[in-house]
Amino acid sequence: QKEVEQNSGPLSVPEGAIASLNCTYSDRGSQSFFWYRQYSGKSPELIMSIYSNGDKEDGRFTAQLNKASQYVSLLIRDSQPSDSATYLCAPDRPDKLIFGTGTRLQVFP
Amino acid sequence: DTGVSQDPRHKITKRGQNVTFRCDPISEHNRLYWYRQTLGQGPEFLTYFQNEAQLEKSRLLSDRFSAERPKGSFSTLEIQRTEQGDSAMYLCASSPGTGELGEQYFGPGTRLTVT
Repeated sequence: QKEVEQNSGPLSVPEGAIASLNCTYSDRGSQSFFWYRQYSGKSPELIMSIYSNGDKEDGRFTAQLNKASQYVSLLIRDSQPSDSATYLCAPDRPDKLIFGTGTRLQVFP
Repeated sequence: DTGVSQDPRHKITKRGQNVTFRCDPISEHNRLYWYRQTLGQGPEFLTYFQNEAQLEKSRLLSDRFSAERPKGSFSTLEIQRTEQGDSAMYLCASSPGTGELGEQYFGPGTRLTVT
Protein backbone atom coordinates (compact mmCIF):
# COMPACT_ATOMS: atom_id res chain seq x y z
CA GLN A 1 0.00 0.00 0.00
CA LYS A 2 1.34 3.40 -0.95
CA GLU A 3 1.82 5.85 1.86
CA VAL A 4 -0.22 8.52 0.08
CA GLU A 5 -2.86 7.86 -2.56
CA GLN A 6 -4.64 10.31 -4.79
CA ASN A 7 -6.80 9.90 -7.85
CA SER A 8 -4.67 11.20 -10.69
CA GLY A 9 -7.70 12.62 -12.52
CA PRO A 10 -8.23 14.73 -14.44
CA LEU A 11 -11.02 16.18 -12.37
CA SER A 12 -12.99 18.52 -14.59
CA VAL A 13 -15.28 21.13 -13.06
CA PRO A 14 -17.03 24.16 -14.54
CA GLU A 15 -16.00 27.65 -13.52
CA GLY A 16 -17.73 28.69 -10.31
CA ALA A 17 -18.25 25.14 -9.05
CA ILE A 18 -16.71 23.49 -5.98
CA ALA A 19 -13.76 21.24 -6.70
CA SER A 20 -13.16 18.43 -4.20
CA LEU A 21 -9.75 16.83 -4.09
CA ASN A 22 -9.10 13.79 -1.92
CA CYS A 23 -6.11 12.06 -0.41
CA THR A 24 -5.82 8.92 1.71
CA TYR A 25 -2.79 7.94 3.75
CA SER A 26 -1.58 4.80 5.41
CA ASP A 27 0.53 6.00 8.36
CA ARG A 28 -1.79 6.39 11.34
CA GLY A 29 0.92 8.37 13.08
CA SER A 30 0.66 11.25 10.61
CA GLN A 31 -0.53 14.30 12.49
CA SER A 32 -0.54 17.09 9.96
CA PHE A 33 -0.66 17.53 6.23
CA PHE A 34 0.26 19.88 3.44
CA TRP A 35 -1.43 20.67 0.16
CA TYR A 36 0.73 21.86 -2.70
CA ARG A 37 -0.38 23.25 -6.03
CA GLN A 38 1.78 22.62 -9.08
CA TYR A 39 1.20 24.31 -12.41
CA SER A 40 2.43 22.50 -15.49
CA GLY A 41 6.18 22.86 -15.84
CA LYS A 42 6.51 24.66 -12.50
CA SER A 43 7.52 23.59 -9.01
CA PRO A 44 5.11 22.80 -6.15
CA GLU A 45 3.76 25.73 -4.17
CA LEU A 46 2.50 25.30 -0.61
CA ILE A 47 -1.11 26.44 -0.35
CA MET A 48 -2.50 24.87 2.84
CA SER A 49 -1.37 23.21 6.04
CA ILE A 50 -3.69 21.37 8.41
CA TYR A 51 -2.74 19.79 11.72
CA SER A 52 -5.93 18.99 13.55
CA ASN A 53 -9.10 17.13 12.83
CA GLY A 54 -11.80 19.18 11.19
CA ASP A 55 -11.72 22.02 8.71
CA LYS A 56 -9.33 24.85 8.03
CA GLU A 57 -10.40 27.65 5.73
CA ASP A 58 -8.23 30.10 3.83
CA GLY A 59 -10.03 32.21 1.29
CA ARG A 60 -11.59 29.94 -1.33
CA PHE A 61 -9.71 26.92 0.00
CA THR A 62 -10.84 24.58 2.78
CA ALA A 63 -8.73 21.67 3.97
CA GLN A 64 -10.40 18.85 5.86
CA LEU A 65 -8.66 16.23 7.97
CA ASN A 66 -10.22 13.05 9.31
CA LYS A 67 -7.61 11.08 11.21
CA ALA A 68 -9.96 8.22 12.07
CA SER A 69 -10.60 7.59 8.38
CA GLN A 70 -7.04 8.53 7.36
CA TYR A 71 -8.42 10.95 4.85
CA VAL A 72 -7.57 14.52 3.95
CA SER A 73 -9.32 16.66 1.38
CA LEU A 74 -9.11 20.07 -0.24
CA LEU A 75 -12.19 21.97 -1.35
CA ILE A 76 -11.88 24.86 -3.76
CA ARG A 77 -14.96 27.08 -3.87
CA ASP A 78 -15.85 29.25 -6.85
CA SER A 79 -13.30 27.43 -9.00
CA GLN A 80 -11.49 29.56 -11.56
CA PRO A 81 -9.63 28.54 -14.71
CA SER A 82 -6.49 29.75 -12.95
CA ASP A 83 -6.99 26.94 -10.41
CA SER A 84 -6.24 24.40 -13.15
CA ALA A 85 -3.17 22.61 -11.86
CA THR A 86 -2.06 19.41 -10.16
CA TYR A 87 -2.72 19.27 -6.43
CA LEU A 88 -0.39 17.22 -4.25
CA CYS A 89 -0.91 16.20 -0.65
CA ALA A 90 1.80 15.10 1.75
CA PRO A 91 1.92 14.23 5.45
CA ASP A 92 4.18 16.44 7.52
CA ARG A 93 7.44 14.70 8.39
CA PRO A 94 10.73 16.27 9.44
CA ASP A 95 12.89 14.08 7.23
CA LYS A 96 11.06 14.16 3.91
CA LEU A 97 7.72 14.67 2.25
CA ILE A 98 6.11 11.67 0.63
CA PHE A 99 3.84 12.76 -2.19
CA GLY A 100 1.09 10.98 -4.01
CA THR A 101 0.87 11.27 -7.78
CA GLY A 102 -1.30 14.35 -7.38
CA THR A 103 -4.72 15.08 -8.81
CA ARG A 104 -4.94 17.11 -11.99
CA LEU A 105 -7.75 19.66 -11.82
CA GLN A 106 -9.19 21.25 -14.94
CA VAL A 107 -11.58 24.18 -14.54
CA PHE A 108 -13.36 24.99 -17.76
CA PRO A 109 -15.12 28.30 -18.54
CA ASP B 1 11.79 37.79 1.08
CA THR B 2 13.96 35.82 -1.32
CA GLY B 3 12.73 32.33 -2.04
CA VAL B 4 14.67 29.19 -2.88
CA SER B 5 16.76 29.60 -6.01
CA GLN B 6 18.25 26.95 -8.26
CA ASP B 7 20.81 27.11 -11.01
CA PRO B 8 20.76 26.29 -13.84
CA ARG B 9 17.06 26.18 -14.69
CA HIS B 10 17.66 23.92 -17.67
CA LYS B 11 20.50 21.57 -18.53
CA ILE B 12 20.94 19.47 -21.62
CA THR B 13 23.81 17.02 -21.52
CA LYS B 14 25.03 13.99 -23.35
CA ARG B 15 24.95 10.57 -21.77
CA GLY B 16 28.08 9.90 -19.80
CA GLN B 17 28.77 13.52 -18.88
CA ASN B 18 28.80 14.86 -15.34
CA VAL B 19 26.44 17.63 -14.25
CA THR B 20 26.21 19.74 -11.11
CA PHE B 21 23.22 21.69 -9.85
CA ARG B 22 23.16 24.38 -7.20
CA CYS B 23 20.47 25.30 -4.70
CA ASP B 24 20.34 28.38 -2.48
CA PRO B 25 17.75 27.96 0.28
CA ILE B 26 15.72 30.62 2.00
CA SER B 27 17.99 32.53 4.34
CA GLU B 28 18.23 30.97 7.81
CA HIS B 29 16.45 27.78 6.82
CA ASN B 30 18.30 24.92 8.50
CA ARG B 31 16.93 22.09 6.40
CA LEU B 32 17.50 21.56 2.72
CA TYR B 33 16.00 18.80 0.59
CA TRP B 34 16.50 17.44 -2.90
CA TYR B 35 13.72 15.74 -4.85
CA ARG B 36 13.39 14.37 -8.35
CA GLN B 37 10.19 14.53 -10.35
CA THR B 38 9.29 12.80 -13.60
CA LEU B 39 6.22 13.39 -15.73
CA GLY B 40 2.97 12.34 -14.09
CA GLN B 41 4.55 11.60 -10.72
CA GLY B 42 4.84 13.48 -7.49
CA PRO B 43 8.29 14.58 -6.33
CA GLU B 44 10.43 11.73 -5.01
CA PHE B 45 12.77 12.33 -2.10
CA LEU B 46 16.50 12.04 -2.75
CA THR B 47 18.30 13.43 0.27
CA TYR B 48 18.20 16.04 3.02
CA PHE B 49 20.54 18.14 5.13
CA GLN B 50 20.21 19.60 8.58
CA ASN B 51 22.70 22.45 8.38
CA GLU B 52 25.80 20.86 6.82
CA ALA B 53 25.02 17.29 7.89
CA GLN B 54 23.49 14.96 5.33
CA LEU B 55 21.02 13.02 7.45
CA GLU B 56 19.25 10.77 4.99
CA LYS B 57 19.69 9.46 1.48
CA SER B 58 17.08 7.65 -0.56
CA ARG B 59 17.77 4.33 -2.21
CA LEU B 60 17.06 6.27 -5.41
CA LEU B 61 20.35 8.05 -4.88
CA SER B 62 22.78 5.69 -6.58
CA ASP B 63 26.55 5.91 -6.28
CA ARG B 64 26.55 8.25 -9.27
CA PHE B 65 24.74 10.90 -7.23
CA SER B 66 26.37 13.00 -4.56
CA ALA B 67 25.14 16.00 -2.65
CA GLU B 68 26.91 18.46 -0.41
CA ARG B 69 26.08 21.41 1.76
CA PRO B 70 29.55 22.42 2.93
CA LYS B 71 28.79 25.50 5.01
CA GLY B 72 25.20 24.83 5.83
CA SER B 73 24.01 27.36 3.28
CA PHE B 74 23.86 26.47 -0.43
CA SER B 75 23.91 22.88 -1.65
CA THR B 76 25.10 21.13 -4.78
CA LEU B 77 23.85 17.93 -6.37
CA GLU B 78 26.22 16.19 -8.75
CA ILE B 79 25.34 13.38 -11.13
CA GLN B 80 28.25 11.51 -12.62
CA ARG B 81 28.13 9.52 -15.86
CA THR B 82 24.59 10.63 -16.63
CA GLU B 83 22.12 8.18 -18.12
CA GLN B 84 18.95 8.84 -20.08
CA GLY B 85 16.94 7.68 -17.08
CA ASP B 86 18.30 10.63 -15.13
CA SER B 87 16.23 13.00 -17.25
CA ALA B 88 13.85 14.67 -14.80
CA MET B 89 13.11 17.85 -12.90
CA TYR B 90 15.40 18.18 -9.89
CA LEU B 91 13.76 20.15 -7.12
CA CYS B 92 15.31 21.72 -4.07
CA ALA B 93 13.29 22.72 -1.03
CA SER B 94 14.10 24.29 2.29
CA SER B 95 12.44 24.34 5.67
CA PRO B 96 13.08 26.39 8.80
CA GLY B 97 13.71 23.25 10.86
CA THR B 98 12.02 24.86 13.83
CA GLY B 99 8.42 25.31 14.85
CA GLU B 100 5.54 22.93 14.92
CA LEU B 101 5.18 22.21 11.23
CA GLY B 102 7.83 21.37 8.70
CA GLU B 103 6.58 23.26 5.71
CA GLN B 104 8.94 22.96 2.79
CA TYR B 105 9.32 25.66 0.17
CA PHE B 106 10.42 24.63 -3.27
CA GLY B 107 12.71 26.32 -5.72
CA PRO B 108 11.87 26.58 -9.43
CA GLY B 109 13.72 23.35 -10.23
CA THR B 110 16.40 22.33 -12.70
CA ARG B 111 15.15 20.43 -15.71
CA LEU B 112 17.74 17.91 -16.88
CA THR B 113 17.62 16.34 -20.31
CA VAL B 114 20.12 13.60 -21.07
CA THR B 115 20.50 12.87 -24.78
